[in-house]
Amino acid sequence: GAVVSQHPSWVICKSGTSVKIECRSLDFQATTMFWYRQFPKQSLMLMATSNEGSKATYEQGVEKDKFLINHASLTLSTLTVTSAHPEDSSFYICSASDPWGLTYEQYFGPGTRLTVT
Amino acid sequence: AQSVTQLDSHVSVSEGTPVLLRCNYSSSYSPSLFWYVQHPNKGLQLLLKYTSAATLVKGINGFEAEFKKSETSFHLTKPSAHMSDAAEYFCVVSAPNDYKLSFGAGTTVTVRA
Repeated sequence: GAVVSQHPSWVICKSGTSVKIECRSLDFQATTMFWYRQFPKQSLMLMATSNEGSKATYEQGVEKDKFLINHASLTLSTLTVTSAHPEDSSFYICSASDPWGLTYEQYFGPGTRLTVT
Repeated sequence: AQSVTQLDSHVSVSEGTPVLLRCNYSSSYSPSLFWYVQHPNKGLQLLLKYTSAATLVKGINGFEAEFKKSETSFHLTKPSAHMSDAAEYFCVVSAPNDYKLSFGAGTTVTVRA
């Protein structure tokens, strides 16, 4: 149980285009999902917290107009990188929390490798 | 606020020897503590978690960690390393009843044959 998937697993896009990444909780409902960014050989940096049916909460320094987050259902959150540039190339990881679980554990997706050329 | 410090950025061990990954935490409250492992280009897998129950926590793949409040530590150990243990390990802390996680910088483990 508690499986989170991401799609696509890797994507290459041209500079100036937008790309959407999906995060799905497959066997539980997640009222809260999180988006992280990870640069090579570095730790995870929380970008935003996504709550179903409401606006995402962005961490300081994260451009909300560039990284659009939508959490329209209890099993799906999307991250859209708008007008992507090479510096947006990174590994993006989502996680989801099961509100009915006994702990506040987060379940992580496998990640999406974004390369902007 | 809570934070973790992983004391070693890189640990190298021989196959079959013990592994020790050190983590100290700082928290205003009784924290929840986690160890995650990440293999190259993969997501994070939970190894074990401490949530104010037993202080010695056993996880998957032979790993265990001990919560020591007096030392504010949560070190991860495994008695005998395997080649498949080569990966990045993250110590993570969260406040009680809070989803938000704070990650350590990570420790890279290499295993020599």
